[in-house]
Amino acid sequence: DTEVTQTPKHLVMGMTNKKSLKCEQHMGHRAMYWYKQKAKKPPELMFVYSYEKLSINESVPSRFSPECPNSSLLNLHLHALQPEDSALYLCASSHPTDDSSTDTQYFGPGTRLTVL
Amino acid sequence: AQKVTQAQTEISVVEKEDVTLDCVYETRDTTYYLFWYKQPPSGELVFLIRRNSFDEQNEISGRYSWNFQKSTSSFNFTITASQVVDSAVYFCALSEESSTLGRLYFGRGTQLTVWP
Repeated sequence: DTEVTQTPKHLVMGMTNKKSLKCEQHMGHRAMYWYKQKAKKPPELMFVYSYEKLSINESVPSRFSPECPNSSLLNLHLHALQPEDSALYLCASSHPTDDSSTDTQYFGPGTRLTVL
Repeated sequence: AQKVTQAQTEISVVEKEDVTLDCVYETRDTTYYLFWYKQPPSGELVFLIRRNSFDEQNEISGRYSWNFQKSTSSFNFTITASQVVDSAVYFCALSEESSTLGRLYFGRGTQLTVWP
């Protein structure tokens, strides 16, 4: 089973709202990723968690706040977003044997976010 | 500098035609990994194949085949007898051994449209 689930599928929010995106995997993977993808562009890495600790933050604005409550769950908390933050947000997971190893990343279906 | 180049932005073919998607990569690592992902209109990135730098054998999976040539730094993807369901954006990606947690460098993607 290589399933990564994401909720919600679609989200519309105002610039003053607070919302959260959720990602879940039950493959025993120990690395989880958040990506942002604008239309007609490749995914851009935002955050990486390894063994529930934040390992990579690609200089993402603080209005995006990641959280990894346990090894299966990854959240992305959103606050005071801008219209230019509207995008597809993808979660992925992989099972590296250590911080430098490469394993295949499996992606979820994404959340389409619209900021009004 | 772009680590992965997909020079074909859009390709249109008619059903049953064969089509090749090009991918050229650049790295100084001797150990690296190459991937192809498919992104249908629904948005999910679907993993298709992973190749490591020491394995130059071509691979065939049903109508899909991949040609890895280190001499030209290319990892091309061919779909034989294309079908309408193959319509999607296809991303080639590179991960280097020196990267943390298998960071993926994506090409810009090739939009494939298969007409009935």
